[in-house]
Parts: sequence; C-alpha cells; structure tokens
Amino acid sequence: SAVISQKPSRDICQRGTSLTIQCQVDSQVTMMFWYRQQPGQSLTLIATANQGSEATYESGFVIDKFPISRPNLTFSTLTVSNLSPEDSSIYLCSVEEEGANQPQHFGDGTRLSIL
Amino acid sequence: RKEVEQDPGPFNVPEGATVAFNCTYSNSASQSFFWYRQDCRKEPKLLMSVYSSGNEDGRFTAQLNRASQYISLLIRDSKLSDSATYLCVVNFNNAGNMLTFGGGTRLMVKP
Repeated sequence: SAVISQKPSRDICQRGTSLTIQCQVDSQVTMMFWYRQQPGQSLTLIATANQGSEATYESGFVIDKFPISRPNLTFSTLTVSNLSPEDSSIYLCSVEEEGANQPQHFGDGTRLSIL
Repeated sequence: RKEVEQDPGPFNVPEGATVAFNCTYSNSASQSFFWYRQDCRKEPKLLMSVYSSGNEDGRFTAQLNRASQYISLLIRDSKLSDSATYLCVVNFNNAGNMLTFGGGTRLMVKP
C-alpha cells in the first residue's frame, strides 16, 4: 500500500492561531481524506480532499474553520484555524486504494494540543 | 442509534484464548466492511476486509451477516501483541468511499 507521510507529528499551539498539517503520499491517489479523532473517541470524517477543486465537507465541518488544499494527486494540507481547546485532537489523513470497495490507509496522525 | 455500533469492552483475556467481537450497522445498503486495528497513540491500520463469504487470515476470521446486519471478528490463540482497539468500519456510500467508524472494542491480552 501507499506510504503516507504526515507532518508535523505533534504540535502545541496558542489559542487563536492556526496550524497547517501536510500529507504526502509516495504515489498518485485519487481519493484523500481528512479525519479527526478526539480523545477517547473514534474517527470522524472532516472532508474529502478533491484535486483541483474545493473539498467536500461533512456535516458540522466548514471551510472557514478547516481549509483544505489538494494541489496534486500526491499532496494535501489541512489547516485548523482560530484554534480553541476544543480543537485538541488527533488529525489523520487517509488515502483510498484504487478500485471499488477498497479500504483506506492512514498517515501517522498529527497530535494537536491547544494551550 | 449509532450507525456502527460496537461493545467498547475492554475484553480481558489470557494468552491463548479465543475472543470474538461483534459489530452492528444500521444501513442495509452498505457495500463494504473492514476491521482496523489501532494501537494506543497510533493510527488505525487495516487488519482485514470482510467479504460476504467470510474470510480468514491466520488466526483472524471475519464474517458478515447481511440479514442481521452484523460483522464479527474472531481471534484465535490470542497473543500479547493482539492487545489493541479493534475498529469496525463500514462503507455506507458506494458512490464515494464514505467510511463510518465504530467506537472500537478494546482488547487486553494478559500473560
């Protein structure tokens, strides 16, 4: 499966600032996704990162708070804006294997803490 | 009702035991199913896909019951290294890969 590199692996940020997380894949993939995993919870899909167009956001997530870029088929960024303590979470990117009904594979995750 | 429901556990079992997890899902039109394993402070990793006919990978057996809308995972001869959280994952939307994750079942294998 594809090798997915995510950085930073962790960060501690001040309230009101923003953090941009990068996700790099070693091969071209059509589908990339961004998830959030809050402490003690399972994964929740934030958005699908679409190459060359705006991301598709899930209910409860908006572009102003979570802007996403997908400039090509191997790279995406997620920015978490105007950080508050509620944003403390693990953020994960994933890619889907090509073909129907295929699983996704995840990057190492970014552990974000807000002071 | 949660879309994908799992017993959170923890399941505490001795080494060598056989343990089974179940997972129920709400959408009868779901097309694909997976079990992921997540170690503490790590990302989820695919354990196995679940096929309609059931499938086995070494000590792990996954089964799907579409009529009852549940998926199971059986682990035989448990190892200490099997200790992890097991996530049941369902694709609810075949037109785009919208995975929905269960809350996970925590397994602790003791010596």
